[in-house]
Amino acid sequence: QVQLQESGPGLVKPSETLSLTCTVSGGSISSYYWSWIRQPPGKGPEWIGYIYYSGSTNHNPSLKSRVTISVDTSKNQFSLKLSSVTAADTAVYYCARQVAVTGSLDYWGQGTLVTVSS
Amino acid sequence: QSVLTQPPSVSAAPGQKVTISCSGSSSNIGNNYVSWYQQLPGTAPKLLIYDNNKRPSGIPDRFSGSKSGTSATLGITGLQTGDEADYYCGTWDSSFWVFGGGTKLTVL
Repeated sequence: QVQLQESGPGLVKPSETLSLTCTVSGGSISSYYWSWIRQPPGKGPEWIGYIYYSGSTNHNPSLKSRVTISVDTSKNQFSLKLSSVTAADTAVYYCARQVAVTGSLDYWGQGTLVTVSS
Repeated sequence: QSVLTQPPSVSAAPGQKVTISCSGSSSNIGNNYVSWYQQLPGTAPKLLIYDNNKRPSGIPDRFSGSKSGTSATLGITGLQTGDEADYYCGTWDSSFWVFGGGTKLTVL
């Protein structure tokens, strides 16, 4: 059974960089897309982007160039960096496994709340 | 505003049937597979339907999905109080993933 677990600071100051890591267990990170999704309080989920185990990435154009997603196959982990954060980036951040062609997100982490505040 | 349009809320009595629509366009639903997610309060979304109409292992056959043209529909029969949740559709739009705005299901 594949399991995902997010980790990282729960509080980030405005203008700084949000950094999160997702650890995958119960399966290899090879194959599949590995995605980040966020959900602001009281709102629906927003897809941030994915990384393939080979390192190729794709991300939501609404986040412009603030997003960096990387992968460490030796540790079965992938990471998210979101730069120049503002209060609008306050959300629960989820990592998930995404099937490449059809896109379904079949395994999710439990989520971690990141608050942007000084 | 999401490119996928869902009704904000639906409701029905226990034991009844409900459908939730997800309307898009040729750049998303019209040319891609649709999946549906159930989000119970305080939990992560859970895959309910994938590839338009397939159920992952463990999802009861009370849940069904269909797609026609640029719209998709989630159906739930034999409603239970435990089905009260937010439901989201999702699909690729060009090369980016999009979610619908979500539908809150109330079981009266």
